[in-house]
Amino acid sequence: NAGVTQTPKFRILKIGQSMTLQCTQDMNHNYMYWYRQDPGMGLKLIYYSVGAGITDKGEVPNGYNVSRSTTEDFPLRLELAAPSQTSVYFCASTRTAGDTEAFFGQGTRLTVV
Amino acid sequence: TQLLEQSPQFLSIQEGENLTVYCNSSSVFSSLQWYRQEPGEGPVLLVTVVTGGEVKKLKRLTFQFGDARKDSSLHITAAQPGDTGLYLCAGRPLYKLIFGTGTRLQVFP
Repeated sequence: NAGVTQTPKFRILKIGQSMTLQCTQDMNHNYMYWYRQDPGMGLKLIYYSVGAGITDKGEVPNGYNVSRSTTEDFPLRLELAAPSQTSVYFCASTRTAGDTEAFFGQGTRLTVV
Repeated sequence: TQLLEQSPQFLSIQEGENLTVYCNSSSVFSSLQWYRQEPGEGPVLLVTVVTGGEVKKLKRLTFQFGDARKDSSLHITAAQPGDTGLYLCAGRPLYKLIFGTGTRLQVFP
C-alpha cells in the first residue's frame, strides 16, 4: 500500500518563482491536510479539505493555494515564493473527522533563496 | 494562535530516567492524539485518548487525558535511546487537525 505520496522530496526555488507540491493518497480518505514544519517545531496547518471540491484555510494560509478536484489528490500551490516559505511541507489524510489516525507523506523540503 | 501548547520544548536525559511531557489548551477537545516523529519522516500515531480522565498504556509509555478534556500528558518510564524523537499532541477543533508545539526528546545511552 502506497498510503500518502508527496512529490518532490526536495526543491530549491528562487524568490518570486512558483511551484506546486503534489500529494496523492490511495486510501479513499475524505479528509486531507497540508502542514508546514519549521526546524525543531510542531506542524502548522496551512489548508485542509473535507472532500472533493471543498477546501478551507488553516492557521497559516497566506502565500498558498490549494484545490481538491478528486478524492485522491490535494496539490498545494506556492505563488511568488518568499524566503519565509522555506520549510518542510507535509501532506496528511484521515478517513473521517473523528478520532481516526492521520497518515502522513514523507514530506517535501523546500528552500527559497 | 497555537491552541495546543507543549512543555517542555526540549528534553535531554540519560537512559533509564523517567520523564513527562505535557500538552495544554484553553479549549475543550473531544479527543487528543499523541504522535512521534523521527528525523526525515512524517509523524506516526502512538495513541488516541477520548474520555476525560482516561489513562492508556503502551509498553513503557502512559498517556492521560485530563478530566476537563483540555490537557493531556505522556509519561515515559525508563527511557531508552530508541525513544528519541519529536513528540506531538494533536486535536480536532471542528474539521481541522491541529498539532501542538512539540517536545524534542533525546535519550543518551
